Amino acid sequence: KAGVTQTPRYLIKTRGQQVTLSCSPISGHRSVSWYQQTPGQGLQFLFEYFSETQRNKGNFPGRFSGRQFSNSRSEMNVSTLELGDSALYLCASSPVSGSQDEPLFFGSGTQLSVL
Amino acid sequence: AQTVTQSQPEMSVQEAETVTLSCTYDTSESDYYLFWYKQPPSRQMILVIRQEAYKQQNATENRFSVNFQKAAKSFSLKISDSQLGDAAMYFCAYRSGETSGSRLTFGEGTQLTVNP
Repeated sequence: KAGVTQTPRYLIKTRGQQVTLSCSPISGHRSVSWYQQTPGQGLQFLFEYFSETQRNKGNFPGRFSGRQFSNSRSEMNVSTLELGDSALYLCASSPVSGSQDEPLFFGSGTQLSVL
Repeated sequence: AQTVTQSQPEMSVQEAETVTLSCTYDTSESDYYLFWYKQPPSRQMILVIRQEAYKQQNATENRFSVNFQKAAKSFSLKISDSQLGDAAMYFCAYRSGETSGSRLTFGEGTQLTVNP
């Protein structure tokens, strides 16, 4: 079974631009979560999607948005990029059969650099 | 809000020795789950072990085991017979069992070096 796939692996943008990151979860997984990882702030939760609906949202500005498609694939968008948005963005999927002890399975991330 | 603290930014261990990574957490919930993830240079977060708060028995996965002290809100990871492939950043994570969703709260991480 293929793992969580994130594309692209690396991305370089300039301030003010917008960017879209993609995540394909493990087949059969219905929940997709996004995390931002930076040296200074560590791992921070962005949002979670389940059945095409945002179920949870972290404390990030409205420039960060996401969506989930009917096949559970998810995209994350950041508009009006700032230097501080430079980070590793990790996507994770979960089966979500109702059990809270289901672990998250992570992708290898997209490294975003904002110049 | 829940918080997770890893007080050891870096640890090192000799190959074949045992090392323990510390994690403490703060929560007012009684139902929750705790996880240890490792992040090697490939950047992919890999689940190492998980513990349900309602279980008193400490979880074990091969060379990895935890010491879960619920009253002290402590969740340490013990790695026995350390191998070079264990070198990675290790993150402790908390997940609520009382709210829906898959949100994890992570600690700051501990960078583990394994010396040959």
